[in-house]
Amino acid sequence: GENVEQHPSTLSVQEGDSAVIKCTYSDSASNYFPWYKQELGKRPQLIIDIRSNVGEKKDQRIAVTLNKTAKHFSLHITETQPEDSAVYFCAARGAGANNLFFGTGTRLTVIP
Amino acid sequence: DAGVIQSPRHEVTEMGQEVTLRCKPISGHNSLFWYRQTMMRGLELLIYFNNNVPIDDSGMPEDRFSAKMPNASFSTLKIQPSEPRDSAVYFCASGAGVSGELFFGEGSRLTVL
Repeated sequence: GENVEQHPSTLSVQEGDSAVIKCTYSDSASNYFPWYKQELGKRPQLIIDIRSNVGEKKDQRIAVTLNKTAKHFSLHITETQPEDSAVYFCAARGAGANNLFFGTGTRLTVIP
Repeated sequence: DAGVIQSPRHEVTEMGQEVTLRCKPISGHNSLFWYRQTMMRGLELLIYFNNNVPIDDSGMPEDRFSAKMPNASFSTLKIQPSEPRDSAVYFCASGAGVSGELFFGEGSRLTVL
């Protein structure tokens, strides 16, 4: 099955700085890569996703890039704010499959 | 829609007791997933159903765990007998086919003493 690795496990940035979280996947057939944000004690919620026919996608302060050749994808958050503090999970889904394989999560702390 | 509904939100039980977690997916979604979240292992997929049929249960830890989906609007995850190492947050999620996002419930926090 798919194996998703995520780095770093923890990340602290000053408010206003950028944050980057990186993930790799093992199954070259995977074609859908969502990112979920989980605030303390809450459910994971989708913040952005990218499909394999696109190299980059942006939504306001967040962007995701995908390198299919290298099998890695990254989340970029610019102008970080304290409310961005949360655990972020990357995930991958294979072609024709329903299930998502999640990375181990990155705890982002934005220091005011 | 009220989203994915899970119950109970919190369960504290003693080792050896049976635990049943319940999930109501979003109406119209045809896929349902059970995940377990712990600090050590992160989000682990236990089992998922497509059109009420179990597709992949390879993530179910052992025979003490079982899951059912008798109809499109209800699923259960049962642990019998429970053990302290089963303590975790169990999330149910639903989705609308291979192209849709997963919507998670609020989770059921299980503590086995």
